[in-house]
Amino acid sequence: KAGVTQTPRYLIKTRGQQVTLSCSPISGHRSVSWYQQTPGQGLQFLFEYFSETQRNKGNFPGRFSGRQFSNSRSEMNVSTLELGDSALYLCASSLGGVSDTEAFFGQGTRLTVV
Amino acid sequence: GESVGLHLPTLSVQEGDNSIINCAYSNSASDYFIWYKQESGKGPQFIIDIRSNMDKRQGQRVTVLLNKTVKHLSLQIAATQPGDSAVYFCAENTGGGADGLTFGKGTHLIIQP
Repeated sequence: KAGVTQTPRYLIKTRGQQVTLSCSPISGHRSVSWYQQTPGQGLQFLFEYFSETQRNKGNFPGRFSGRQFSNSRSEMNVSTLELGDSALYLCASSLGGVSDTEAFFGQGTRLTVV
Repeated sequence: GESVGLHLPTLSVQEGDNSIINCAYSNSASDYFIWYKQESGKGPQFIIDIRSNMDKRQGQRVTVLLNKTVKHLSLQIAATQPGDSAVYFCAENTGGGADGLTFGKGTHLIIQP
């Protein structure tokens, strides 16, 4: 079956702009999590959605937001982009149950803010 | 702050040798640990996991050891191959699911021919 799909793969934006990234989870998976990966901070958890509801949230400012649709696809939005937002943004999907803990990652969206 | 960390940023081993990648965690409430492998340009790939009620779990060429007394996790890769070259991350999850995985900084494993 198809894996986790993230679009676009690469994105270049200017400071102050906003951006929307998309993630399509593995069919049947209801949980989608987002992570930011940078050389300095490593992989950091942004938020997790399950059945269209945000279930967990990391320590990122309100400029970072997300949503999940009824088909489990998820989007994350970053408003008023800053240079420091340049990173690889990864999403992971899982079945979402307490015992279903294996998460599958997409290839990520490389965002560059100039 | 970071609750999961790795001891070495880079580990170089000869092809065919065994490698051990270490990880320390600080959250005693963590009940599930995962090792991921990330190759250049790709997302993290699940390797093996272990729950806190176990101290050892084996997969194909990989073994994860968990020492809850000293909050230490290790990944052993047997008979390393060139394709094992990647960055390896340990991660902990206190709640189940993909939510809130806390990752270590990663160890870059280099396989020398």
